[in-house]
Amino acid sequence: NAGVTQTPKFQVLKTGQSMTLQCAQDMNHNSMYWYRQDPGMGLRLIYYSASEGTTDKGEVPNGYNVSRLNKREFSLRLESAAPSQTSVYFCASSGGLAAYYEQYFGPGTRLTVT
Amino acid sequence: QQQVKQSPQSLIVQKGGISIINCAYENTAFDYFPWYQQFPGKGPALLIAIRPDVSEKKEGRFTISFNKSAKQFSLHIMDSQPGDSATYFCAASTNNDMRFGAGTRLTVKP
Repeated sequence: NAGVTQTPKFQVLKTGQSMTLQCAQDMNHNSMYWYRQDPGMGLRLIYYSASEGTTDKGEVPNGYNVSRLNKREFSLRLESAAPSQTSVYFCASSGGLAAYYEQYFGPGTRLTVT
Repeated sequence: QQQVKQSPQSLIVQKGGISIINCAYENTAFDYFPWYQQFPGKGPALLIAIRPDVSEKKEGRFTISFNKSAKQFSLHIMDSQPGDSATYFCAASTNNDMRFGAGTRLTVKP
């Protein structure tokens, strides 16, 4: 039982390059989330998926796209990376609505855009 | 504009002392208030949470105090230990909209 796994752990991109961050959970959770963490800003919600087949924007969705591939996997794509997207990205999952179920976080992906 | 304001940014406490972290929110629609603990290089983990229908919740050495009228809540860590040294985030949520405070870096000196 690995919980929430994220790949890669570290990534360096040049401005304009694209990449996909992968996230998978093995807890049979319905809801999944992508956050970014920046110094002095806490965690900010990028996108979430309340259930398989649905996705919704969070607080800071611009520049990102997501895919809920199946119940286990939720990916985050940067189509054209910008230095402002340098951050630590966390994926999380929960049994249901964030307001009623504990969120479990992955170990994070540290992304640097030069 | 941050919807959840957290203070202080950093806190140094002696072993055995009480650590207190405060948060304030604006949106009265928030109905779930968790605290997360994060160690370096790790993802946040839920520590304790409260709903606005109670004013206090205690789990071991950790207590949340909640003041609905003032729209404030706080985390108290009693008998603080060096192992409690971490970054603590308060959060407020309604449905799937979870908003986090900026975090408090707690250092407990032995």
